[in-house]
Amino acid sequence: DIQMTQSPSSLSASVGDRVTITCRASQGISNYLAWFQQKPGKAPKSLIYAASSLQSGVPSKFSGSGSGTDFTLTISSLQPEDFATYYCQQYHSYPFTFGPGTKVDIK
Amino acid sequence: QVQLVQSGAEVKRPGSSVKVSCKASRGTFSSYSISWVRQAPGQGLEWMGRIIPIFGTTNCAQKFQGRVTLTADESTSTAYMELSSLRSEDTAVYYCARTPSVVPPLLSDRDYWFFDLWGRGTLVTVSS
Repeated sequence: DIQMTQSPSSLSASVGDRVTITCRASQGISNYLAWFQQKPGKAPKSLIYAASSLQSGVPSKFSGSGSGTDFTLTISSLQPEDFATYYCQQYHSYPFTFGPGTKVDIK
Repeated sequence: QVQLVQSGAEVKRPGSSVKVSCKASRGTFSSYSISWVRQAPGQGLEWMGRIIPIFGTTNCAQKFQGRVTLTADESTSTAYMELSSLRSEDTAVYYCARTPSVVPPLLSDRDYWFFDLWGRGTLVTVSS
């Protein structure tokens, strides 16, 4: 199975900050990488697919990059509604696997 | 706007089975696949398996093989996940997630395996 890791596991940031989350795959997955946002008690929301493509309706403050084994999710200017947990997921091969998540909270 | 409507919360005894449903509010299942993902309390996301209803094909994580059955009824646009031999560690919220709508031949194309829509989740509690 492909193992996904994320760093940091949590971070504290202020409104307006630029935030970057890193995701690493244990083997090359090309660009078959997605990012999700999850708020407490809610279902995950799809943000990005193919490492850098924005899902419909997702604001452009979210961006993704990377290929192979190393990927990043960037939030350009953190807003109150962005405080949540973020997960990466590979869909290169079965079983699909998720990173452990990065919790973004208010400083 | 299409939604995935999941069945309600369940409380089950250890050793029993649970069947969770996921219904598309509009459209049919013929143009996408459905995955099932679970999340134990306070934990991360875990992919269980997926079904491509139009082909009837399934892929499941080895961890769940022999215990999970994925089915779909195209006539009602409803997918089902049945988990048997339940134990306390199966207590979790179970989500269905859909891939984008594409023409059927592209359902086998990895480029379209990402999720674009999630159900709201079904809490399954396993307790004696």
